[in-house]
Amino acid sequence: RKEVEQDPGPFNVPEGATVAFNCTYSNSASQSFFWYRQDCRKEPKLLMSVYSSGNEDGSFTAQLNRASQYISLLIRDSKLSDSATYLCVVNMPLASSYKLIFGSGTRLLVRP
Amino acid sequence: DTEVTQTPKHLVMGMTNKKSLKCEQHMGHRAMYWYKQKAKKPPELMFVYSYEKLSINESVPSRFSPECPNSSLLNLHLHALQPEDSALYLCASSHTGGGADTQYFGPGTRLTVL
Repeated sequence: RKEVEQDPGPFNVPEGATVAFNCTYSNSASQSFFWYRQDCRKEPKLLMSVYSSGNEDGSFTAQLNRASQYISLLIRDSKLSDSATYLCVVNMPLASSYKLIFGSGTRLLVRP
Repeated sequence: DTEVTQTPKHLVMGMTNKKSLKCEQHMGHRAMYWYKQKAKKPPELMFVYSYEKLSINESVPSRFSPECPNSSLLNLHLHALQPEDSALYLCASSHTGGGADTQYFGPGTRLTVL
C-alpha cells in the first residue's frame, strides 16, 4: 500500500465546474497535511495547508479527517488557470525527523 | 517573502564532469532539502539538513554529495553521473524541519546527463 494515495485522474472538466480530489494516507502519526499545485515543468507551489476544521481559500476548500486518514480538496467554479497537477502531501515522522510524502498527483484540465 | 532560489536553471553535463547545484534562501529557515523529480512522477526526497547538519540521506548514491556551508546555502555536488540521473532537482526549505513545517520549493535545476 502506498503511503499517500490519490485519485489517478486525469480530470477533464468544463470551465465553471466543481471538482473534488481525494487522498488517503497510511501513517496515523502524520503531523501536517498539504495540497500543492504543480504546473508543467515548474516547481510544486503550496496551495493550502489542510486542517481538521476545514479551511477555505477563495474557490478552494480543503478538509482533513484524521479518523479516516482522508484528505480532500474541492475546487468550485473552476477556471482555465486551475489546470495543473495537484499533489496531496503528508508530513510523516521518519526516525527523529520528518519527511514529506507526496501522492502521485492528480492532473486537472479545465476546458473552455 | 517565501523565495528559494536555485542556480543554474539548466545544466547539461557529461558522465565524467564535476558540477554543483546551488540553492539559497533568506527566510531564516533552518531546514533545507534536496529532491529529485522525474517526468510525470512526484518529487523524491534525497537529503535533509537541519541546523546545518545532515539529518536524512535517503540512500542516495555517493556520486551525489550535499553540502550546507551555512544556514542560507545548500549545495549539491555532482560527479560521475549516469544518464538516468537526468531529472529536475528541487531545493526546498522550511522553518526547522519539524512535523508542522511547511516546505517552500525553489524553481529547480533541470539536469541532463549525456
